[in-house]
Amino acid sequence: DAKTTQPTSMDCAEGRAANLPCNHSTISGNEYVYWYRQIHSQGPQYIIHGLKNNETNEMASLIITEDRKSSTLILPHATLRDTAVYYCIVRPVPDSGGSNYKLTFGKGTLLTVNP
Amino acid sequence: DTEVTQTPKHLVMGMTNKKSLKCEQHMGHRAMYWYKQKAKKPPELMFVYSYEKLSINESVPSRFSPECPNSSLLNLHLHALQPEDSALYLCASSQARRLTREAFFGQGTRLTVV
Repeated sequence: DAKTTQPTSMDCAEGRAANLPCNHSTISGNEYVYWYRQIHSQGPQYIIHGLKNNETNEMASLIITEDRKSSTLILPHATLRDTAVYYCIVRPVPDSGGSNYKLTFGKGTLLTVNP
Repeated sequence: DTEVTQTPKHLVMGMTNKKSLKCEQHMGHRAMYWYKQKAKKPPELMFVYSYEKLSINESVPSRFSPECPNSSLLNLHLHALQPEDSALYLCASSQARRLTREAFFGQGTRLTVV
């Protein structure tokens, strides 16, 4: 699986957009970019995923560069409840192989939203 | 129902005890996962079941024994654990054959081995 690199921590003011970067320079053509977050003492929560096009849902937007070597997760109006560790994960497109079930977490970025 | 339910929420056990962690989901997911998470570290994959068969074992010590009795249940049997096994144990589930498979996580069992 491609490795990801994220900043260890970031701060954001409440109500402002939070932009969380992720480098995945060794990503291959059949690998998706997934984002999860983990609020303190809770299980991880799925946020969004994408292959090569930008994606948006009710939680966030995902911007993937044209060469797919990096991506940015955007929380458009951060709230105090968005304080969490955000994980960027690269995962292969599913096929019949058992190894494609792996979801491997890196160190993530601790986002702190300040009032 | 998009919940993964784990029981118990907290567990304290001695090194000679035998205990089990339980995980249940009713989303029709046929892939289920066990993760271990130490404090201030990311979750580490332990086991993956696909269609009730063990498909991935990440070289986990035999004192951890997973079981998937049916498509909704996943157990983790614990025996002769060490204090360093104290951690948050997370269960997750996902679709097995969709093009993309987001995983849903439970809230975890916080295990303390004394």
